[in-house]
Amino acid sequence: GAGVSQSPSNKVTEKGKDVELRCDPISGHTALYWYRQSLGQGLEFLIYFQGNSAPDKSGLPSDRFSAERTGGSVSTLTIQRTQQEDSAVYLCASSEGQVNNQPQHFGDGTRLSIL
Amino acid sequence: AQKITQTQPGMFVQEKEAVTLDCTYDTSDPSYGLFWYKQPSSGEMIFLIYQGSYDQQNATEGRYSLNFQKARKSANLVISASQLGDSAMYFCAMRENNQGGKLIFGQGTELSVKP
Repeated sequence: GAGVSQSPSNKVTEKGKDVELRCDPISGHTALYWYRQSLGQGLEFLIYFQGNSAPDKSGLPSDRFSAERTGGSVSTLTIQRTQQEDSAVYLCASSEGQVNNQPQHFGDGTRLSIL
Repeated sequence: AQKITQTQPGMFVQEKEAVTLDCTYDTSDPSYGLFWYKQPSSGEMIFLIYQGSYDQQNATEGRYSLNFQKARKSANLVISASQLGDSAMYFCAMRENNQGGKLIFGQGTELSVKP
């Protein structure tokens, strides 16, 4: 079946512009997560959505970052007034729920470069 | 304090040999899960194996096994009969039940398999 789909795969933009990154989770997965991976680093949690519950936004680095999930499916991560330190690979994952033993399945990521 | 520590930035192993990748964790939550992911140079995150905090036996998945020592808070990944295709970054991650669904990742270990 189809895995987690992210678009675009690459995005180059100028400092100060807004960007939108899209994630389409695996069908039927109720939990959706966003992570950020800087060059040579581990993954940093940003935000996650579980069903109709309020999202956990505790990992968002600043108020320039926001995310929404419409209809319990597709999610969009928005970064406003981008800065060079926002350059990273943004990874989306989904899982069947937030039960401990459910692995998160990752998309291929969006590589964001801020000039 | 680091929640997940991977002390080996890089490891080498001879093809067909076994290798152990170290991971220690820190949590006060009695209910948690530990995951290992593989990230090849192509960038995708591939789920390998899961160990729950209440599991009595070490997890195994094919050539992967997890050496879970709860009292020492370690969850080392053992790869048997290494193959050239095992060359990749390996990440240990933890999910704490009282923190919802987010994963906390270590910094990773880069494994190189020599022919």
